[in-house]
Amino acid sequence: DTEVTQTPKHLVMGMTNKKSLKCEQHMGHRAMYWYKQKAKKPPELMFVYSYEKLSINESVPSRFSPECPNSSLLNLHLHALQPEDSALYLCASSQGGGFFNYGYTFGSGTRLTVV
Amino acid sequence: DQQVKQNSPSLSVQEGRISILNCDYTNSMFDYFLWYKKYPAEGPTFLISISSIKDKNEDGRFTVFLNKSAKHLSLHIVPSQPGDSAVYFCAATNSGGSNYKLTFGKGTLLTVNP
Repeated sequence: DTEVTQTPKHLVMGMTNKKSLKCEQHMGHRAMYWYKQKAKKPPELMFVYSYEKLSINESVPSRFSPECPNSSLLNLHLHALQPEDSALYLCASSQGGGFFNYGYTFGSGTRLTVV
Repeated sequence: DQQVKQNSPSLSVQEGRISILNCDYTNSMFDYFLWYKKYPAEGPTFLISISSIKDKNEDGRFTVFLNKSAKHLSLHIVPSQPGDSAVYFCAATNSGGSNYKLTFGKGTLLTVNP
């Protein structure tokens, strides 16, 4: 299995809703990431988990809450989002430990619309 | 402050010809560079990478060149095929860091015309 699976593919939520994005990989990768991508912009790093521990939070607002229940799963809990948070949310994984030979493996993303 | 720059938002090439996509970086700590390809409604797909100890890496039709003194890299696709039409992102990182963070450029939309 060489994929990163993200669910759901599309999500529409109101500003008072609570929802979660899910990401799963079974490649034995020990680093997992959340990126946010707005239209015509590059992916921007939000969070990095290394060996199931949060190692980077790029000053992301607390309405985004990541969780790594185990080495294969990564969640992003959403609460009280704003319309400007509408974007493509990408999950990625990598071997970690400095192994960059094959780069990240990205999921297809969740297209989030906040109304 | 954009640390990775792709100054050409788009590039159009005839099928069979060479496509050259350019990327510049400003952070001298970057020592590992990657190219990703992205189709609409899909996540980026890793294409090819290069370490700063090399100046060229080749994989089939794809070759990446690195000029460290100029802080410039380029991706050559030869021959270009219509299926290569996609957005290409250049990314860079400091592989000695412990955070595995990639910094992406804004991307270049490549269109290969039949």
